[in-house]
Amino acid sequence: DAGVIQSPRHEVTEMGQEVTLRCKPISGHDYLFWYRQTMMRGLELLIYFNNNVPIDDSGMPEDRFSAKMPNASFSTLKIQPSEPRDSAVYFCASSLAFRLATYNEQFFGPGTRLTVL
Amino acid sequence: KQEVTQIPAALSVPEGENLVLNCSFTDSAIYNLQWFRQDPGKGLTSLLLIQSSQREQTSGRLNASLDKSSGRSTLYIAASQPGDSATYLCAVRTQGGSEKLVFGKGTKLTVNP
Repeated sequence: DAGVIQSPRHEVTEMGQEVTLRCKPISGHDYLFWYRQTMMRGLELLIYFNNNVPIDDSGMPEDRFSAKMPNASFSTLKIQPSEPRDSAVYFCASSLAFRLATYNEQFFGPGTRLTVL
Repeated sequence: KQEVTQIPAALSVPEGENLVLNCSFTDSAIYNLQWFRQDPGKGLTSLLLIQSSQREQTSGRLNASLDKSSGRSTLYIAASQPGDSATYLCAVRTQGGSEKLVFGKGTKLTVNP
């Protein structure tokens, strides 16, 4: 398996522009997670999906951020309008739930480095 | 609210040394704890996952222990090598049905040849 795939790997944009980050989870995984990593705050969960349904979006910073998962093999994280403080590395991760265990190891993609000027 | 702390924030050791990285968490009601490795500009690679019922897990030169009651975990690296240089993060999954992982800020390890 190719692992979790994210695109683009790097994105530079100007303040006010719309940014769309993409993620393809590992085939067969039923959980998908979006994280943001900054020097100041470390790695923070933004939102996660189970079977394409958003379960917990309490980490989404504000209404400028939205995430969708139209099918089991694709998810997007959109920022509109973008601001310089959104500059960070955004990671996507996926996992497979084992109903009779609490294993649920998360596998991470390589991340998208976003710079908003 | 679960909080995860990793000390030290950075560590530099000579090659061949055994070392210990520390992780503490405030809420002992966890499902499991994971240790990850992150190389510069890369994603996270899972190293070890310890279930709440377990005391330790081993993989090669790595050994992770868990003391749930005291809210602590350690990652022991034996005979360190320059290739071990990376940032090591620990993360906990708190009980309550959520799949959410709460991460520490990591320890940046440098192993000098």
